[in-house]
Amino acid sequence: DTEVTQTPKHLVMGMTNKKSLKCEQHMGHRAMYWYKQKAKKPPELMFVYSYEKLSINESVPSRFSPECPNSSLLNLHLHALQPEDSALYLCASSRLAGAPDTQYFGPGTRLTVL
Amino acid sequence: QQPVQSPQAVILREGEDAVINCSSSKALYSVHWYRQKHGEAPVFLMILLKGGEQKGHEKISASFNEKKQQSSLYLTASQLSYSGTYFCGTHPNNQGGKLIFGQGTELSVKP
Repeated sequence: DTEVTQTPKHLVMGMTNKKSLKCEQHMGHRAMYWYKQKAKKPPELMFVYSYEKLSINESVPSRFSPECPNSSLLNLHLHALQPEDSALYLCASSRLAGAPDTQYFGPGTRLTVL
Repeated sequence: QQPVQSPQAVILREGEDAVINCSSSKALYSVHWYRQKHGEAPVFLMILLKGGEQKGHEKISASFNEKKQQSSLYLTASQLSYSGTYFCGTHPNNQGGKLIFGQGTELSVKP
């Protein structure tokens, strides 16, 4: 089973709201990722967690706050977002951390910021 | 550094073949290939870890030329289900983690 699940599927929020995106995998993968994808563009890496520790932050604004409560779960907390943050947010996981390995993507959360 | 894909778009008739190229100005340590259909998540096709490696899955195969810093994805006898955007992804170093995707190649297969 190579399933990564994400909730919610769709999210609409105002610029003053606080919301969270959730990602879960039960494959025992040691690395988890957040990507942002705008229409007709490739996914862009935001954060990487290796063994539940933040290992890469691609200079993402602080209004995005990742959290990895355990090895199966990854959250992305959102606060005071801007309309230009509207995008598809993808979570991925890989068995290996720190080595090239297949990344399995979840279905994504489509976020709209009003 | 983002890898460069070519062509940007291609239209095929069912049964025709296509080649999508992915090249980098920097050293390539591994190449990932994904397909993404509209409104869906990227789906893993294959990963090539070594120069000279070739892989295949049904009628889709890929090669990796480490010296030329490029990879090619071959789609033979295309089917309607092959339509989508194809992305190659590369790691900037050999430590995994960060994956940088090319700009994508939009493939449309017509009946």
